[in-house]
Amino acid sequence: QKEVEQNSGPLSVPEGAIASLNCTYSDRGSQSFFWYRQYSGKSPELIMSIYSNGDKEDGRFTAQLNKASQYVSLLIRDSQPSDSATYLCAVMTPSGYSTLTFGKGTMLLVSP
Amino acid sequence: SQTIHQWPATLVQPVGSPLSLECTVEGTSNPNLYWYRQAAGRGLQLLFYSIGIDQISSEVPQNLSASRPQDRQFILSSKKLLLSDSGFYLCAWTSGQGVEAFFGQGTRLTVV
Repeated sequence: QKEVEQNSGPLSVPEGAIASLNCTYSDRGSQSFFWYRQYSGKSPELIMSIYSNGDKEDGRFTAQLNKASQYVSLLIRDSQPSDSATYLCAVMTPSGYSTLTFGKGTMLLVSP
Repeated sequence: SQTIHQWPATLVQPVGSPLSLECTVEGTSNPNLYWYRQAAGRGLQLLFYSIGIDQISSEVPQNLSASRPQDRQFILSSKKLLLSDSGFYLCAWTSGQGVEAFFGQGTRLTVV
């Protein structure tokens, strides 16, 4: 059974700090990895996708992937109160018809 | 550009009543379509996915069914709602396998 694990949080950081969100997955065959942000009462929106080992940067966001350790992370630099949300890690394994498996999410709180 | 529409945004239904939620995608052809449910305090649970018209797979056997009468239309239905059907229902689409999913605005269903 495919599993994606995240610490539920909340992770509290002060404004301007770096927030580090972590995710582990169980299926070693997973090849596509995504981070979504979900504000309370809203639908998830895609922040980052990463497909190969290493770092991928987009503005204040950096996704990191380590397939050997089955670990993916999201760093948010210069955190803002508007970043306060739940961050969902999603993993896709290309077996049969590919579907996304989501973690339960980590709640991030950025205090002014 | 591609857009996904989902309605209604909120719905309050009595136990035993029928349900029909609709989702349409614009700006793309032959999308993969998904229905997810997010219960309070829980992760996203995949309910149904479809790779084409009348090609639907169910991930979780339950009180719900799905249909895809047109290429870009996906419908979630129930003949008789249960209290346990309450939750946040999300429609999503992808352009293929191993790529990111995009979500509709979601439907908040409360069964009373």
